[in-house]
Amino acid sequence: NAGVMQNPRHLVRRRGQEARLRCSPMKGHSHVYWYRQLPEEGLKFMVYLQKENIIDESGMPKERFSAEFPKEGPSILRIQQVVRGDSAAYFCASSPTRDSAAAKNIQYFGAGTRLSVL
Amino acid sequence: AQKITQTQPGMFVQEKEAVTLDCTYDTSDQSYGLFWYKQPSSGEMIFLIYQGSYDEQNATEGRYSLNFQKARKSANLVISASQLGDSAMYFCAMRDFGNEKLTFGTGTRLTIIP
Repeated sequence: NAGVMQNPRHLVRRRGQEARLRCSPMKGHSHVYWYRQLPEEGLKFMVYLQKENIIDESGMPKERFSAEFPKEGPSILRIQQVVRGDSAAYFCASSPTRDSAAAKNIQYFGAGTRLSVL
Repeated sequence: AQKITQTQPGMFVQEKEAVTLDCTYDTSDQSYGLFWYKQPSSGEMIFLIYQGSYDEQNATEGRYSLNFQKARKSANLVISASQLGDSAMYFCAMRDFGNEKLTFGTGTRLTIIP
């Protein structure tokens, strides 16, 4: 059973370019989360998606960042017109269909995409 | 708002000794979950252990156990019989029930000395 797959592992972009980060959740998982990790810091929540729906985007910057999780295919985190401050590790996590009574809803993480903006 | 505090930026421990990584949390909710993740130098985030706020017993998973003290709002991770492969960053995180986002602490870098 494959884990959460993220690609690419490393991505280098010049200022002003677009970055597209992909995440395939674990088999049977319908919930996807994106987090950002700056150097020497913990992960910060960005967005929570279910298939074709954004559920919570309270951690997403208001501009240049967008996320989707289409009916078919991976979830995509898109960063337009990247700036040096976007350099970070971006992690995707997935969890199974959430049982509202089950507090133990473990989020399983991918290996991350390390974005470097030159 | 939730907050996780990990006060130990780095720790050095002799191989085969037990180690305790501290974590305190703050939340106004009565129902929540606490999680520990390990991040080795390769960068991935590995789930280790979970504790629910209503669980009466401390969680255990192999060599990992969680020392949960609800009144003190602490959820320390205990690793028994440490191994060289335990060298990594360790993050404490929490989630309120009814909310999907995890809030992470700043982590503790654990180094096991042979």
